[in-house]
Amino acid sequence: NAGVTQTPKFQVLKTGQSMTLQCAQDMNHEYMSWYRQDPGMGLRLIHYSVGAGITDQGEVPNGYNVSRSTTEDFPLRLLSAAPSQTSVYFCASSTPQTRFSYNEQFFGPGTRLTVL
Amino acid sequence: EDQVTQSPEALRLQEGESSSLNCSYTVSGLRGLFWYRQDPGKGPEFLFTLYSAGEEKEKERLKATLTKKESFLHITAPKPEDSATYLCAVVSGGSNYKLTFGKGTLLTVNP
Repeated sequence: NAGVTQTPKFQVLKTGQSMTLQCAQDMNHEYMSWYRQDPGMGLRLIHYSVGAGITDQGEVPNGYNVSRSTTEDFPLRLLSAAPSQTSVYFCASSTPQTRFSYNEQFFGPGTRLTVL
Repeated sequence: EDQVTQSPEALRLQEGESSSLNCSYTVSGLRGLFWYRQDPGKGPEFLFTLYSAGEEKEKERLKATLTKKESFLHITAPKPEDSATYLCAVVSGGSNYKLTFGKGTLLTVNP
């Protein structure tokens, strides 16, 4: 298993450009999510999906769109990049939660994005 | 709103010098507390999940414990390869899958 893969590893954008960060997992996990990690802020949830066709907003969703057409893929789209979106982005996946417990999430290697 | 505070922000140890990292949390109905290790330039790597007060888990030189207000990550006789940032995260009954992370503790183990 490759686990959770992300592309690209690095990206530089100009303000106003759009792009898609790719995330794929081969573990047949139903739950997938996107986080951003900023110095001094910790990891913050952007969007998440509990299965194909189902997505929801996290803590910091503004400026980002997601869709989930397959179990394996969960791309994150930046509609019009802004310098405030300069960050490291991590995708994660997990098996379904039970009624009384949550399972651990497995993270990808990250995409380092710079918006000029 | 769930809150997680990790201390200290940074910890420098000599090889073999045991210590503990702290993660204090405020949640409404804890459903899980997670410890992750993150190396520079990489994604967080899962270490432990704790679900209820009194629970303990061990892996090599690491031992995680949980009370109703905090969790400790005990590091026994650390080695330089244990150097990393250790992240704590919680999920609560009202958070609907949302992990709330602390800011992490940067551990450096000198040979």
